[in-house]
Amino acid sequence: TQLLEQSPQFLSIQEGENLTVYCNSSSVFSSLQWYRQEPGEGPVLLVTVVTGGEVKKLKRLTFQFGDARKDSSLHITAAQPGDTGLYLCAGAPDKLIFGTGTRLQVFP
Amino acid sequence: ETGVTQTPRHLVMGMTNKKSLKCEQHLGHNAMYWYKQSAKKPLELMFVYSLEERVENNSVPSRFSPECPNSSHLFLHLHTLQPEDSALYLCASSQDQRISTDTQYFGPGTRLTVL
Repeated sequence: TQLLEQSPQFLSIQEGENLTVYCNSSSVFSSLQWYRQEPGEGPVLLVTVVTGGEVKKLKRLTFQFGDARKDSSLHITAAQPGDTGLYLCAGAPDKLIFGTGTRLQVFP
Repeated sequence: ETGVTQTPRHLVMGMTNKKSLKCEQHLGHNAMYWYKQSAKKPLELMFVYSLEERVENNSVPSRFSPECPNSSHLFLHLHTLQPEDSALYLCASSQDQRISTDTQYFGPGTRLTVL
């Protein structure tokens, strides 16, 4: 069974701090997606990465796909309260498998 | 606006009740999905429909019965549920479930509590 482990599980930080969330697996994925889920809502896609070593930037968010396509990271620079939510990675060997999630709280 | 709506948003039911969850997508997509989101487990895929045909059934107990009458509507019929079935049930749609990079658009979910 393929499993995507995310770390940390919970993160509570002050506005302006930087943070990194990790998504790791022992399996190779053809692509990997990151979603953010806010309270009372469903997950919303942030980015899709498909090439080993690929780096994508979305404003203050930087996403990286590992060279071996088994892991990924999400780095947020100068976090803001609006970044609060549950961050989910999701890998696709064939069907989409979701990670264990990282719950981020950013305090003003 | 996500283009995927779910009703009801909250549901409380007893173990002997029968209820249905409804999902509607306004995006013209061909695939629809049911997921279960529990507090202590990753998001779990339950069912996948493509062009109204069920293409995935992930060993879900028979007390959950999906129905897809057309490509815009998806139902999840519930009967004789257990308290451990309490969770957030999310519906999603995408253009083509065969494409691994296909973006899934999620509804807001139905928060189900089984007493």
